[in-house]
Amino acid sequence: DAKTTQPPSMDCAEGRAANLPCNHSTISGNEYVYWYRQIHSQGPQYIIHGLKNNETNEMASLIITEDRKSSTLILPHATLRDTAVYYCIVRVASTGTASKLTFGTGTRLQVTL
Amino acid sequence: GAGVSQSPSNKVTEKGKDVELRCDPISGHTALYWYRQRLGQGLEFLIYFQGNSAPDKSGLPSDRFSAERTGESVSTLTIQRTQQEDSAVYLCASSRHLNTEAFFGQGTRLTVV
Repeated sequence: DAKTTQPPSMDCAEGRAANLPCNHSTISGNEYVYWYRQIHSQGPQYIIHGLKNNETNEMASLIITEDRKSSTLILPHATLRDTAVYYCIVRVASTGTASKLTFGTGTRLQVTL
Repeated sequence: GAGVSQSPSNKVTEKGKDVELRCDPISGHTALYWYRQRLGQGLEFLIYFQGNSAPDKSGLPSDRFSAERTGESVSTLTIQRTQQEDSAVYLCASSRHLNTEAFFGQGTRLTVV
């Protein structure tokens, strides 16, 4: 699975949009981009994933560049409860191949008042 | 059940003892994963099971670690002759199929004294 690069930490004011970048310049055509987050002392939580089109759900939006070498997770109105470590992961999509999620070091997002 | 359930939530054991950690995946999920997270560190993949296929054991750190899964139900992770370096949170996740989003339990915090 391709390696990802994320900034180690970011701050965001409550109520503002949090934009978390991720570089995955070696991504392959059959690899999806997944985002998870881990709030302190809890298990990781799935947020969103996509292949090449932008995606939106009730938690966040995912913007993937046209060349697929980077993406941005957007939390439109960050709250204090969004303080967590956010992991960007690229993962092979086809069946029959190794499927483990490989977590990097992630971005520690601190939402402040 | 509603989510992935792990037991016990906390376990303190003496060095050299064996421990068993249990994971109940979400009903109907064919894939099950075990991860380890040491204090302040990222998630390390240990093993995953997919249906009746041979498990991917590539992340198990030593032969003291083993895991079993009966069909598509409960899994147990066994650590024999525990060492202090085994102290960590052990996280289990399940997904409906290979390569779909994974849902994590709250983990078992293992402390070896």
